[in-house]
Amino acid sequence: SAVISQKPSRDICQRGTSLTIQCQVDSQVTMMFWYRQQPGQSLTLIATANQGSEATYESGFVIDKFPISRPNLTFSTLTVSNMSPEDSSIYLCSVRREDTQYFGPGTRLTVL
Amino acid sequence: QQQVKQSPQSLIVQKGGISIINCAYENTAFDYFPWYQQFPGKGPALLIAIRPDVSEKKEGRFTISFNKSAKQFSLHIMDSQPGDSATYFCAARSGSNYQLIWGAGTKLIIKP
Repeated sequence: SAVISQKPSRDICQRGTSLTIQCQVDSQVTMMFWYRQQPGQSLTLIATANQGSEATYESGFVIDKFPISRPNLTFSTLTVSNMSPEDSSIYLCSVRREDTQYFGPGTRLTVL
Repeated sequence: QQQVKQSPQSLIVQKGGISIINCAYENTAFDYFPWYQQFPGKGPALLIAIRPDVSEKKEGRFTISFNKSAKQFSLHIMDSQPGDSATYFCAARSGSNYQLIWGAGTKLIIKP
């Protein structure tokens, strides 16, 4: 299994500001993912972050808006930049270990 | 062709009854089909998964039934309990791709 922690667990931010979400895994993993989940909705993949390479972004998500860092095999950050109320969502960190994908508890973001 | 269609959107079952959630897919390259359970305020957690070389997999009260020819798979929860009340997501992935394709989710409520 994998134990994943995220910080912060929730935050309320003003529009135009940025928030960095941290994801820590209990042991080394190659593949880390960042998802967005609107309340009551399914999961949408934002990007895949592999250590030592640039993150790969899905259609509709760009690096300027959601810069990602992956400095080592147990840690990653996602920044939500220049936030607007439309960015209000739950952001989930996920890792793949062997054949299974595990998720962190999520960061609930509200933008006013 | 990349979609996974999940139904129903919501489901209410009496305690002790059988809960059934269905998913259908088009991409015959999919070879891994997990079900995730998500409680409010938590990240999704892997419940059970199946590969297309078997037609059924059972773990405790949870069973996946898989119909390769119909390209459908379903989750059965036997003797449903109030603690099973959660949102359930089906997903699919092909061996050549790291990305899980998610169903829309089913909100399950078990009435005591």
